Amino acid sequence: AQSVTQLGSHVSVSEGALVLLRCNYSSSVPPYLFWYVQYPNQGLQLLLKYTSAATLVKGINGFEAEFKKSETSFHLTKPSAHMSDAAEYFCAVNRRGGADGLTFGKGTHLIIQP
Amino acid sequence: EPEVTQTPSHQVTQMGQEVILRCVPISNHLYFYWYRQILGQKVEFLVSFYNNEISEKSEIFDDQFSVERPDGSNFTLKIRSTKLEDSAMYFCASSVDRGLQETQYFGPGTRLLVL
Repeated sequence: AQSVTQLGSHVSVSEGALVLLRCNYSSSVPPYLFWYVQYPNQGLQLLLKYTSAATLVKGINGFEAEFKKSETSFHLTKPSAHMSDAAEYFCAVNRRGGADGLTFGKGTHLIIQP
Repeated sequence: EPEVTQTPSHQVTQMGQEVILRCVPISNHLYFYWYRQILGQKVEFLVSFYNNEISEKSEIFDDQFSVERPDGSNFTLKIRSTKLEDSAMYFCASSVDRGLQETQYFGPGTRLLVL
């Protein structure tokens, strides 16, 4: 069965600093991985997804993530944090090969300090 | 940009009552989903729906739950007799197609509180 683990329920960075949100996955089949962001009072919005085409995936708002099979990781990064990046971030993996439902991590709340 | 909408944003109900959560998926999407997130826990898949029938359901989706597409736009989740443990945020999602790479577009959620 697939699962994801997000290290750190809260991450605080200064504006302009590097953002690193960690996600490790467990999968018995080649995974498809997703990062979603949720701003207050809004739905989950797709940031980026890994579908095996390239290990470094670029998403919206300057975010990117690198798939590392040897480390079973798919960490999300952004070189320079902006105040508008404050939100909840979810890592997800396809639930089973070919099935419909996504398996999500618990989420990481990103706090940006001025 | 088209988006998934959900109503109500908040619902408070008494234990044992029936609730219906409503969703309007993106108009050209064919696959619809419900997820829930209990406070402090992970977002969990409940059910997927295609062509007016359930495509897949998780072990959470027991006989207390049902889904329906009553007309061409709405997609509903019904909980027949709510329990305290049904208190959660419920997310609706839709996608154009089904598949490993398909993006699911999520609504803002309905926060359900069962007293």
